[in-house]
Amino acid sequence: EAGVTQFPSHSVIEKGQTVTLRCDPISGHDNLYWYRRVMGKEIKFLLHFVKESKQDESGMPNNRFLAERTGGTYSTLKVQPAELEDSGVYFCASSGGLAGYTGELFFGEGSRLTVL
Amino acid sequence: KNQVEQSPQSLIILEGKNCTLQCNYTVSPFSSLRWYKQDTGRGPVSLTIMTFSENTKSNGRYTATLDADTKQSSLHITASQLSDSASYICVVSLGAGGGNKLTFGTGTQLKVEL
Repeated sequence: EAGVTQFPSHSVIEKGQTVTLRCDPISGHDNLYWYRRVMGKEIKFLLHFVKESKQDESGMPNNRFLAERTGGTYSTLKVQPAELEDSGVYFCASSGGLAGYTGELFFGEGSRLTVL
Repeated sequence: KNQVEQSPQSLIILEGKNCTLQCNYTVSPFSSLRWYKQDTGRGPVSLTIMTFSENTKSNGRYTATLDADTKQSSLHITASQLSDSASYICVVSLGAGGGNKLTFGTGTQLKVEL
């Protein structure tokens, strides 16, 4: 069974440009999460989808970030326009049940974003 | 101040030795505590998950303990191997009313040497 896959693995863009990250969760997982790790800091929650609906987007930094999950399958996270402080590793995770309880959470390999 | 604090920040041990990593948290209400292993350039992989009612959980050479009263957890690695070199992250989830947000520690970087 395929795990959580993310694309691209690494993206280097200039400040002001747009980048779109993609996440394909494990098939059948209704819950999809985006997290981010900025260098030297802990991994932080960005948002949570249940199927195609945003359950919690309280971790989104600002309105330059837009997440979508069309049809409740894969998800995209767009950063437009990108700023230097957006650099970091963006992780996607999925679970069959609620991760906040005993549900197992499966992470992708991450998409490293470098903004120059 | 992060709600999940880990110590030590980094650790070097010889292959075959045991080690214990510490995690203190202030997240409340508490639902579950997890330990993840993250290899360089990879995503975190779950090692153990404990609810507030559990005080120990093992996964092979990894044993996690939890004291919900003192809000402390530890991860003990037995007979370390070179492949244990990684970052070990303590993660706490909010309980009832907190949804399913996970709060991550910054991790302990473990290096196992010959």
